[in-house]
Amino acid sequence: DGGITQSPKYLFRKEGQNVTLSCEQNLNHDAMYWYRQDPGQGLRLIYYSQIVNDFQKGDIAEGYSVSREKKESFPLTVTSAQKNPTAFYLCASSIGHSMFFGPGTRLTVL
Amino acid sequence: AQKITQTQPGMFVQEKEAVTLDCTYDTSDPSYGLFWYKQPSSGEMIFLIYQGSYDQQNATEGRYSLNFQKARKSANLVISASQLGDSAMYFCAMRPSGYSTLTFGKGTMLLVSP
Repeated sequence: DGGITQSPKYLFRKEGQNVTLSCEQNLNHDAMYWYRQDPGQGLRLIYYSQIVNDFQKGDIAEGYSVSREKKESFPLTVTSAQKNPTAFYLCASSIGHSMFFGPGTRLTVL
Repeated sequence: AQKITQTQPGMFVQEKEAVTLDCTYDTSDPSYGLFWYKQPSSGEMIFLIYQGSYDQQNATEGRYSLNFQKARKSANLVISASQLGDSAMYFCAMRPSGYSTLTFGKGTMLLVSP
C-alpha cells in the first residue's frame, strides 16, 4: 500500500530534550511538508522540501530543523529552542495539486 | 500573502440533512486552487475536494460539492445527506499556482446527530 507513515503516534519528552519525528513516504512524491496543529487552530507550516537536499522554512520554523537526504524521508527535529513544542505534528507529501497527509504524531513535552 | 477564513467554529446538523460549511479567502494571485479536508478524531487529514480558480464548473465528489463564487472569494463546502460518520473537523485551504504549500483556515467542527 502506498502512503505516508509517521512514527511514533504518541511521543513524550522531558523539557530541554531534542526529539526527532519520523516521516516516510512511498508515493514517489518530490515535495514533502511538516505542519503543526494546536487545539482550535488550523495547520501551520513549519518546513517544506521540494527536492532532495533542499528545504525551505515555513511560517513557524524557529526551534525546528529538518533534513532531506532521501526522497522518501523527511524527519523533523524539535529542538530545545522551541518554546512550546507540545502539539500535533502532521507530515505531508504532494504531487500536482494533490497533497496527502500522514496519520500524525502527538508530541507532549513534560 | 494568502488568508483563509472559516467563520463557523461549530455546526450541528441532523442525519440525512444537507449542510454548508463556509470558507472565504484572500489572495492577490490570479490563479489558485481551493481544497477541503476532513479531520476525524483520529487526527488524519482526509482530502475531500479540489476547485481550480479557472474551473468553469463547481467541483463535486460524491456527497461533497464546492459552491465556488469567485467574485465573492468564497468556496463553501456542501455536504448532502449527512451521515453520522461526517462528524469531524473540516478545513478549507488554498494554494496559489506556482506554490507548493497550502494555507489553512482554522476549521469548522461539524456534529451530525441521529
